[in-house]
Amino acid sequence: QKEVEQDPGPLSVPEGAIVSLNCTYSNSAFQYFMWYRQYSRKGPELLMYTYSSGNKEDGRFTAQVDKSSKYISLFIRDSQPSDSATYLCAMRGGSSNTGKLIFGQGTTLQVKP
Amino acid sequence: DSGVTQTPKHLITATGQRVTLRCSPRSGDLSVYWYQQSLDQGLQFLIQYYNGEERAKGNILERFSAQQFPDLHSELNLSSLELGDSALYFCASSAGLAGETQYFGPGTRLLVL
Repeated sequence: QKEVEQDPGPLSVPEGAIVSLNCTYSNSAFQYFMWYRQYSRKGPELLMYTYSSGNKEDGRFTAQVDKSSKYISLFIRDSQPSDSATYLCAMRGGSSNTGKLIFGQGTTLQVKP
Repeated sequence: DSGVTQTPKHLITATGQRVTLRCSPRSGDLSVYWYQQSLDQGLQFLIQYYNGEERAKGNILERFSAQQFPDLHSELNLSSLELGDSALYFCASSAGLAGETQYFGPGTRLLVL
């Protein structure tokens, strides 16, 4: 069993829809949670970064972490065709000695005009 | 543009060969990370260097090695290449040791024939 599970999709939605992307994890030591966006043939870029449980909002994006359920989510409001990409969740433990990230498999999102 | 540069962009080689991938971190970043992305395994952490010293190892094969030089650029050496080593290799950098924000380069696409 992988430490981080993410439905690979693909997920196809119409423009303007609310998108929900999710990851579950098994390692209770994870403290930092991230969402990266990766366009085709590009490197991942950081979208959201949260520590421990709670919500964080940035424009059309909201990240949620529920450590009790070992479940994290990314919501995209008013989705746009430019949001079409692969979304990767990533997480790491609380150690200050390394930045090693564990990634989910990535969910491919297509937003249709 | 993340500020992280990687060369070459593409590499085609034969089984049994050795290649070197190069990464220059963002200006001022002391940590360099190497990740491998394949269709079946997703994005996997290989190794982290901080200011010239190895700080964390992931699922890196013994045939692979890396180093970080005094000018902070890093090289990933892959030897005795196998077909299964074909993948995208990403370098990322962060300012500190714990990698709160990792910036990814554009990647090197390796094809082993």
